[in-house]
Amino acid sequence: GESVGLHLPTLSVQEGDNSIINCAYSNSASDYFIWYKQESGKGPQFIIDIRSNMDKRQGQRVTVLLNKTVKHLSLQIAATQPGDSAVYFCAELPWGDKIIFGKGTRLHILP
Amino acid sequence: ETGVTQSPTHLIKTRGQQVTLRCSSQSGHNTVSWYQQALGQGPQFIFQYYREEENGRGNFPPRFSGLQFPNYSSELNVNALELDDSALYLCASSTSGGPGKTQYFGPGTRLLVL
Repeated sequence: GESVGLHLPTLSVQEGDNSIINCAYSNSASDYFIWYKQESGKGPQFIIDIRSNMDKRQGQRVTVLLNKTVKHLSLQIAATQPGDSAVYFCAELPWGDKIIFGKGTRLHILP
Repeated sequence: ETGVTQSPTHLIKTRGQQVTLRCSSQSGHNTVSWYQQALGQGPQFIFQYYREEENGRGNFPPRFSGLQFPNYSSELNVNALELDDSALYLCASSTSGGPGKTQYFGPGTRLLVL
């Protein structure tokens, strides 16, 4: 079975609000995690990554949090915009650079 | 855009047929990975090619095979197609040993098996 999963298949957020997308992983050996964004008709696009020796990493309008104790990842998007509408995947790399993706969460932005 | 191209964009086949999908990697990249993405699911790793050799394989049967050419472009071949092979097939190129963030994905080929 898959070792990476997501709690909610769909998330609806008001434009301008913050979005939080959650993810659980099961492979304790994973030391590198990535969030991808996939828009309709496109391949996954890298958003932000984090290594297991970190708890938090910030990018432009995005923050990833890692809780190794409970094997939990989250992606926070500040001031959500219509262009943020997409499916978001967390992914882990337990070995080499072979990526294991979760099922994905669809982020829907309400006007 | 990532510079990774795939062809064709869409394809319809029938059960038992064979299919070949193609991927051109981004300039300077020597590694190509293939993924299968079923509807509503995350991509699943099929295999990776580095310098024309298979460099790791996911949980896919032998009827899924691939090639990488000297220019680092790649093909994914699927024999004896089954209905469950209907999916979006993604390729990603990278430099060898690069972490996941350096894998650049193409737009995919959508395969429908009837």
